[in-house]
Amino acid sequence: AQTVTQSQPEMSVQEAETVTLSCTYDTSESDYYLFWYKQPPSRQMILVIRQEAYKQQNATENRFSVNFQKAAKSFSLKISDSQLGDAAMYFCAYRSGRFTDKLIFGTGTRLQVFP
Amino acid sequence: NAGVTQTPKFQVLKTGQSMTLQCAQDMNHEYMSWYRQDPGMGLRLIHYSVGAGITDQGEVPNGYNVSRSTTEDFPLRLLSAAPSQTSVYFCASKTGHETQYFGPGTRLLVL
Repeated sequence: AQTVTQSQPEMSVQEAETVTLSCTYDTSESDYYLFWYKQPPSRQMILVIRQEAYKQQNATENRFSVNFQKAAKSFSLKISDSQLGDAAMYFCAYRSGRFTDKLIFGTGTRLQVFP
Repeated sequence: NAGVTQTPKFQVLKTGQSMTLQCAQDMNHEYMSWYRQDPGMGLRLIHYSVGAGITDQGEVPNGYNVSRSTTEDFPLRLLSAAPSQTSVYFCASKTGHETQYFGPGTRLLVL
């Protein structure tokens, strides 16, 4: 069975600085997707970034980028130029490449941003 | 498009009561699913559907029932609520290999 581990329950960063959130996963599949979701206090689950396992290039979305290390089964999220609005819970998630709806989530990292 | 909508936003139940959490999407997505989120944990899959008339169990299906009579709607039924079902419930939908869209969540408190 696949598992997702986020080993940092809480992280903090100062405004305008850079922070990296860690995620490791375990799978025997070669075709899969990885996601980072942001959950602000409103509880809405917001997609931050997505990575297809078959793509070697790391995904980027504006200030958000990932470091995808397939052999090490590591998928970290880097937030550059942190803003107060980035404060939230961040969840790493895995989905098989087969046609499936099942997302497997990590336990989350709470990110605090200080002015 | 309204996206994925959920009702109610918040509900209080007594142990043993039944209720239905509603989920609807207007994007013609074939996949729909229900997750629950408990403190200190990520979301866990309860039930999912790959199309109208087809449902299957996820990781934590006990105590919940689903049906999918239309593409748009995917209600989640609690037949006899228990305090262990106190949680925040999220509905999600997607098409093909695309990313899931999540609803705003329903917070359920069972006393």
